[in-house]
Amino acid sequence: QLQLQESGPGLVRPSETLSLTCSVSGGSITTTTYYWGWIRQPPGKGLEWIGTIFYTGTTYYNPSLKSRVTISLDTSKNQFSLKLTSVTAADTAVYYCASGRESPPYAFDYWGRGTLVTVSS
Amino acid sequence: EIVLTQSPAALSLSPGERATLFCRASQSVSTYLTWYQQKPGQAPRLLIYDASNRATGIPARFSGSGSGTDFTLTISSLEPEDFAVYYCQQRTNWPRVTFGPGTKVDIK
Repeated sequence: QLQLQESGPGLVRPSETLSLTCSVSGGSITTTTYYWGWIRQPPGKGLEWIGTIFYTGTTYYNPSLKSRVTISLDTSKNQFSLKLTSVTAADTAVYYCASGRESPPYAFDYWGRGTLVTVSS
Repeated sequence: EIVLTQSPAALSLSPGERATLFCRASQSVSTYLTWYQQKPGQAPRLLIYDASNRATGIPARFSGSGSGTDFTLTISSLEPEDFAVYYCQQRTNWPRVTFGPGTKVDIK
């Protein structure tokens, strides 16, 4: 059973870069059947998909965030990461990492517990 | 971009009652529609995929239906642990996905 855990600073200054890491246990991030993603949720609001990365390193990003987002794999640490540049208060949210399979259900079926990132000076 | 709308925004029901939640897409998503449940302070949990398939471990009281633009999530008899927010999500352009705004089911 996969387990995912987000880590990173809880406070980021406006205009700086938000950096988060997701540590994966119970499976390898290089497993061909899995993909890995980031989803965020502003306080009291709904879910927003940020992006997805496959074991090959191929990435897909939300068009509304694409210019500011980078998702990458660190196979040596069995982790994947999120970088979001030029943050503003609108980027304040709980950030979740999640995984899905390249087969039914084609959905995020394992999630981390989430980490709150606040953008404030 | 396909936009999902969910109705009602909130639903107040008693344990044992039937809950019917709706999700509408701005254009056809075939049956590429997923439902998640989220309880306060927790990550979302996968309930239903491809419109009508229950995910592993999901009780039979949860069912999904629909195709094209109109979808329904039904909880046949609400248990206390079912009071939560429910999100639909479409994957027509997988792995790009979009979520609906959610329906909150709370205790009457």
